[in-house]
Amino acid sequence: QKEVEQDPGPLSVPEGAIVSLNCTYSNSAFQYFMWYRQYSRKGPELLMYTYSSGNKEDGRFTAQVDKSSKYISLFIRDSQPSDSATYLCAMRGSTLGRLYFGRGTQLTVWP
Amino acid sequence: DTEVTQTPKHLVMGMTNKKSLKCEQHMGHRAMYWYKQKAKKPPELMFVYSYEKLSINESVPSRFSPECPNSSLLNLHLHALQPEDSALYLCASSQDWGQGIDTIYFGEGSWLTVV
Repeated sequence: QKEVEQDPGPLSVPEGAIVSLNCTYSNSAFQYFMWYRQYSRKGPELLMYTYSSGNKEDGRFTAQVDKSSKYISLFIRDSQPSDSATYLCAMRGSTLGRLYFGRGTQLTVWP
Repeated sequence: DTEVTQTPKHLVMGMTNKKSLKCEQHMGHRAMYWYKQKAKKPPELMFVYSYEKLSINESVPSRFSPECPNSSLLNLHLHALQPEDSALYLCASSQDWGQGIDTIYFGEGSWLTVV
């Protein structure tokens, strides 16, 4: 079993839709959770990072962490064509310095 | 805009060539990383430098040779590569290596094609 599981999609939604992206993990030592957005042929861009269980909001983006279920989510409200990208979840423990990535979910938002 | 700058953006090299990838950050970060990313795959960690010392080498073949001349610069020297080494090479940095809610910032990457 991989440490981090993420459905690769592809996911295709109309403009204005609410998008839900999810990852599950197996290592209870993971404490820090990140979402990166990667446009085609570019490096990953940090979108959100969280530590505790609960929600964190930043504009149209909401990151949710449920440590009891080992499940994290990223919600995108009022999705735009410019949101079309691959979204990578990543996580690590307090002493485990390396990042563990999900496979990435490819999202297309069509006008 | 990313504050991790990588050059060149694209590189084509033959299997007998020697080339280098360069990375620079001016955020005062003390940890720097090289990742390799193949198409439709997540980034894979290659090397970690912490305070200019090599901390992690993920069993990377010796044809890849990292160098950290100072806290702002990171190089990846390439020699006798194979076509399967063609990938996006990402440099990244963070405040420190694996401390607290330290976040990792990536550069735009260098696209390498080995012919």
